[in-house]
Amino acid sequence: EPEVTQTPSHQVTQMGQEVILRCVPISNHLYFYWYRQILGQKVEFLVSFYNNEISEKSEIFDDQFSVERPDGSNFTLKIRSTKLEDSAMYFCASSEALQSTDTQYFGPGTRLTVL
Amino acid sequence: GQNIDQPTEMTATEGAIVQINCTYQTSGFNGLFWYQQHAGEAPTFLSYNVLDGLEEKGRFSSFLSRSKGYSYLLLKELQMKDSASYLCAVRDGENTGFQKLVFGTGTRLLVSP
Repeated sequence: EPEVTQTPSHQVTQMGQEVILRCVPISNHLYFYWYRQILGQKVEFLVSFYNNEISEKSEIFDDQFSVERPDGSNFTLKIRSTKLEDSAMYFCASSEALQSTDTQYFGPGTRLTVL
Repeated sequence: GQNIDQPTEMTATEGAIVQINCTYQTSGFNGLFWYQQHAGEAPTFLSYNVLDGLEEKGRFSSFLSRSKGYSYLLLKELQMKDSASYLCAVRDGENTGFQKLVFGTGTRLLVSP
């Protein structure tokens, strides 16, 4: 069964460093999302992406964040200068289309720890 | 505003039935999803409702009342492996545009022998 994959599974970085989290969405999906979950808290929407551009972003997704689809398969989230409060689990999700029945499927996540 | 409420924790016994409630108030509504999340893992899709009524899927059923802003997830014949968090999520958005999921805090279900 097709699935969303993410790398790395765990990333440890120093405050102020740049990180890139990578995702490979399900191959026939066209809509891509990033969510994050701080430990013990709810899953929060960050950004959605379609046709090589951001379609919606949350208040969390400030100028320190960016997304890119550098080739036909990868979808990346970059944090330019990490802060302690960026420590969280980051989930990539994808969906085939926007019809009401389309489900977002989540990858296994990248646990980001900022020291 | 957007608000999704679920109980924080529930306990149940193996073989029993449990109902997890979710109430929501969102600016837009285009479907309600239930996901299961084991600790440290990704949410996995369980069920989806966009019209009022009951959707049944094996041991899991989900109900929606849009007029009441209310849904529940029903788990039957509980197994130990059902111990997990259950996330209620509303797809926020109208017919066009990109429809993010707005999640509740999740209900942690503990199944005991």
